[in-house]
Amino acid sequence: DAKTTQPPSMDCAEGRAANLPCNHSTISGNEYVYWYRQIHSQGPQYIIHGLKNNETNEMASLIITEDRKSSTLILPHATLRDTAVYYCIVRVAPGGGGNKLTFGTGTQLKVEL
Amino acid sequence: DGGITQSPKYLFRKEGQNVTLSCEQNLNHDAMYWYRQDPGQGLRLIYYSQIVNDFQKGDIAEGYSVSREKKESFPLTVTSAQKNPTAFYLCASSITARSPEAFFGQGTRLTVV
Repeated sequence: DAKTTQPPSMDCAEGRAANLPCNHSTISGNEYVYWYRQIHSQGPQYIIHGLKNNETNEMASLIITEDRKSSTLILPHATLRDTAVYYCIVRVAPGGGGNKLTFGTGTQLKVEL
Repeated sequence: DGGITQSPKYLFRKEGQNVTLSCEQNLNHDAMYWYRQDPGQGLRLIYYSQIVNDFQKGDIAEGYSVSREKKESFPLTVTSAQKNPTAFYLCASSITARSPEAFFGQGTRLTVV
């Protein structure tokens, strides 16, 4: 699975958009980009995933660059409850090896008033 | 409500004792996983099971054992052979081994004294 690089921390004002970047310059053609988040002392929560097209769901939007070497998770209107560690994960589609996820240290997003 | 339940939330054991962490899901998911998280670190995969009566070692299986006798249950035993057992343990499940989204429990914090 490709390695990812994320900033260790970011701050965002409540109500503003939070844009969390992720670099994955060694991503290969069959690898997807996944985003999870973990609120303190809880289990991680799936947010979104994509291959090459931009994706949007009720939680967030995922923008993947055309060369697929980086992506941005966008929380359009951040709230205090979005304060969490956000993990960007790159891996092939789950297959015979099971849905194994490799979590790095992520980005600690702090949403403030 | 459907979900994945880990119990207990906090667990204390004396050094040298085996301890079993419970993980139950009523989501009818085929695949289940155990992860370990140390302070300030990402998650590391211990064991995973793609289907009942089957399980595979993850990245850090030494000192741990699992069983998958029932679809809804995937208990993890931390044995005395595990050198540094104090950690936050997370169980997860997915519909199948090919599903992109994993659902996590709330975790068990194990402290060995």
